[in-house]
Amino acid sequence: KNQVEQSPQSLIILEGKNCTLQCNYTVSPFSNLRWYKQDTGRGPVSLTIMTFSENTKSNGRYTATLDADTKQSSLHITASQLSDSASYICVVSADSNYQLIWGAGTKLIIKP
Amino acid sequence: DAGVIQSPRHEVTEMGQEVTLRCKPISGHNSLFWYRQTMMRGLELLIYFNNNVPIDDSGMPEDRFSAKMPNASFSTLKIQPSEPRDSAVYFCASTSGGRNEQFFGPGTRLTVL
Repeated sequence: KNQVEQSPQSLIILEGKNCTLQCNYTVSPFSNLRWYKQDTGRGPVSLTIMTFSENTKSNGRYTATLDADTKQSSLHITASQLSDSASYICVVSADSNYQLIWGAGTKLIIKP
Repeated sequence: DAGVIQSPRHEVTEMGQEVTLRCKPISGHNSLFWYRQTMMRGLELLIYFNNNVPIDDSGMPEDRFSAKMPNASFSTLKIQPSEPRDSAVYFCASTSGGRNEQFFGPGTRLTVL
């Protein structure tokens, strides 16, 4: 069964600290993996999209990694800011398929 | 570009009433998705349109739900009759290709009393 699992479920860190969010997936065949940021009361916004051949991609202070062999991805946030408080959702696309398999998300809270 | 536009942003209705949610995709995008998000189930795909044609409606919960896309710039999701368990945030998303990045609207928060 195609699944995407994220950890931790929630995370609280102090402003300025770094953090890493994890994503494991069992989607096959694999097409691409995306990380979305969803602020409270808003729709998800794409941060990164990685295909099978890419093992890292950055978007400002956000860096995503992908290990297609172990089917794991991580999202690293550097020098966190209060505006980083949001849910971060890992999403995997199966090959030749418009359907996205959504993780449950990690709720990140940045405290001053 | 204004992005994906959804209306209303909030809807409170009573059980049994008809509810219509509206979406205007990004101009030039040919794929449109309706999603439902709840705390318990996360984001669920309800229906996918490509070039105004429904391609996959397997996520539509039951016959009370229907969706239309009469033209490339407008889509509706209708619930008739509504039930309390339909309470959720409904998102519309569009993309320039089925597998490309999806751009989400702000969502409609529906509360059925």
